[in-house]
Amino acid sequence: DAKTTQPPSMDCAEGRAANLPCNHSTISGNEYVYWYRQIHSQGPQYIIHGLKNNETNEMASLIITEDRKSSTLILPHATLRDTAVYYCIVRVSFDMRFGAGTRLTVKP
Amino acid sequence: DTGVSQNPRHKITKRGQNVTFRCDPISEHNRLYWYRQTLGQGPEFLTYFQNEAQLEKSRLLSDRFSAERPKGSFSTLEIQRTEQGDSAMYLCASGLGQNLNTEAFFGQGTRLTVV
Repeated sequence: DAKTTQPPSMDCAEGRAANLPCNHSTISGNEYVYWYRQIHSQGPQYIIHGLKNNETNEMASLIITEDRKSSTLILPHATLRDTAVYYCIVRVSFDMRFGAGTRLTVKP
Repeated sequence: DTGVSQNPRHKITKRGQNVTFRCDPISEHNRLYWYRQTLGQGPEFLTYFQNEAQLEKSRLLSDRFSAERPKGSFSTLEIQRTEQGDSAMYLCASGLGQNLNTEAFFGQGTRLTVV
């Protein structure tokens, strides 16, 4: 699977949008971009995924650049409960390879 | 609760003992994964089943580890002759479908402590 690069940590003010970047410059044409998050001591939670078009669901929006070399996960109105480690994964096979992720801290 | 269920949630065992964990996937999910996660690290892939067939195994899955999924329903992960380095959270996930455009859902994990 293509390697991803994420900042190790980010802060966000409660109520503001949280924009989490991910670089995946070696992504191939058939590799999907997936985002999961993990709140302390819980299993990872699926957020959203996409191939090349931007996607939106009730949790977040996923913006993928036209060349697909990077993407941004957007949490439109971050709450304290969004504090977690966020993982960006690109996958071509059925298994998913997690990196270290970004630790997002939402502050009041 | 219709999510992925893992039992037990916590297990403390002495070094050298065998342990077995169980995962009950979401009903009718044909794909099942096992991952291991140590403190401060992301989950590491161990193995993958499609129905009852074990299709992929990580090099992390040493000879002391074995996973089964009889009849394509629940799965078990057994660790023989446990070592302190096996202490970790063991995560199970399940998914539905035959293509990559489908997400996987994780259980809450089994935390193993080897003393």
